[in-house]
Amino acid sequence: GAVVSQHPSWVICKSGTSVKIECRSLDFQATTMFWYRQFPKQSLMLMATSNEGSKATYEQGVEKDKFLINHASLTLSTLTVTSAHPEDSSFYICSATSGGTNTQYFGPGTRLTVL
Amino acid sequence: DQQVKQNSPSLSVQEGRISILNCDYTNSMFDYFLWYKKYPAEGPTFLISISSIKDKNEDGRFTVFLNKSAKHLSLHIVPSQPGDSAVYFCAGLGAGSYQLTFGKGTKLSVIP
Repeated sequence: GAVVSQHPSWVICKSGTSVKIECRSLDFQATTMFWYRQFPKQSLMLMATSNEGSKATYEQGVEKDKFLINHASLTLSTLTVTSAHPEDSSFYICSATSGGTNTQYFGPGTRLTVL
Repeated sequence: DQQVKQNSPSLSVQEGRISILNCDYTNSMFDYFLWYKKYPAEGPTFLISISSIKDKNEDGRFTVFLNKSAKHLSLHIVPSQPGDSAVYFCAGLGAGSYQLTFGKGTKLSVIP
């Protein structure tokens, strides 16, 4: 149980384009989903927290207009990187948790490369 | 300010021996701790957790110890297996919060 999927697993795009990453909880209802970013040899950095049906809460330094998060249902959250630039190239990972548990379950991650 | 510290970036252990991964924290508001295992280009996999009201939690080959007074926890893997080779992240969770604070990770290499 507690499986989280992400799609796509990797994406290459041109500078200036927008990329959407999906995060799905497959066998549980995720009341809260999180988006993280990881640079090489660094820890996971929380970007934003989203609750179903509410606006996402962004961490300091994360541009909410650049990283659009939508948590439209209890099983799906999307992260859209708008007008992507090469410095946005990174590994993006989502996680999900359901009410009443402290454990976050992570997706497999999405490798974004912006040319 | 790093609230969760994993001071050893890497650790090498012989197969069959015990692996001990350490983690220190500074935030007294953390009341739950989790360990995750991560392979390159994959998402972290949850391993084991411990509540601050306990000092030990065991699950198979994995045991987590918590010393609240020292703000220190450790993950013991015994016996270590080559498949355990990965990066291990320690994370803290504040009371009433869902936001994990991660350490920088320790890369474990188990040598056959």
